[in-house]
Amino acid sequence: GENVEQHPSTLSVQEGDSAVIKCTYSDSASNYFPWYKQELGKGPQLIIDIRSNVGEKKDQRIAVTLNKTAKHFSLHITETQPEDSAVYFCTSGRRDDKIIFGKGTRLHILP
Amino acid sequence: EPEVTQTPSHQVTQMGQEVILRCVPISNHLYFYWYRQILGQKVEFLVSFYNNEISEKSEIFDDRFSVERPDGSNFTLKIRSTKLEDSAMYFCASKTAYSYEQYFGPGTRLTVT
Repeated sequence: GENVEQHPSTLSVQEGDSAVIKCTYSDSASNYFPWYKQELGKGPQLIIDIRSNVGEKKDQRIAVTLNKTAKHFSLHITETQPEDSAVYFCTSGRRDDKIIFGKGTRLHILP
Repeated sequence: EPEVTQTPSHQVTQMGQEVILRCVPISNHLYFYWYRQILGQKVEFLVSFYNNEISEKSEIFDDRFSVERPDGSNFTLKIRSTKLEDSAMYFCASKTAYSYEQYFGPGTRLTVT
C-alpha cells in the first residue's frame, strides 16, 4: 500500500547548525510532496512543498529536494533557530487526493 | 489570514455514545478532509469529500463514521457507538479546487472513556 518512511524520528542540533530530514515514498503516482510543521497542541502547518516536475525548491532557510527516480525527498533547514523546534512531517500525494504522512521527526534546537 | 477552525477543542465522551466534531473550512475551499492522529503516532487519512459526496475513505472510516456538509460553511464528522480506540486528535483540512495545498485546522482531541 501507499507508505511514507521518514527518518530520523528524533533530531537534536545546535542552534545555528543545519538539520536534514529524509523520506522515501512508495506510490509512483505521487506528484506532490508537502512538508508540515506541528507545534505542541496545534494542527499541522504547511511550510513548503515540492512537485514532481521540480528537483529542488528553496524558501529562505528551508529547502526541499526530490529524487523521483529513487522516490526520495528531503528537508534541509539551515541556520536553525529555537523556534524551529517542532515535529516535522513529510507527506506525499496527488492534487485533490489524500495526503500520506510519515511518522514525523521531532526536532530539538539546542541552545 | 483565513484559517480552518474546529470545535470543540476537546471532547470527552463515554464508550457507546455519539459525537459530532465540527469544522469550518476556509470559505472558498471546495475539497474537505478528515484525518486523525492517535497519540504518538502518524497522522492518518479518514475521508475526503467533494461536491457533496465522499470521494475516498480509508479502512478506518467504518460504518460508524459519517460526514456531512449541512450548510455552506460547516463540515462535520459524526462517530456513532464510540469505542476506546477512537480516542485521538481529529484534524479537518480543506483546499481550493485548483490548488494542491491542504490547510489543516487545530484539531479536536476526542477522549473516549
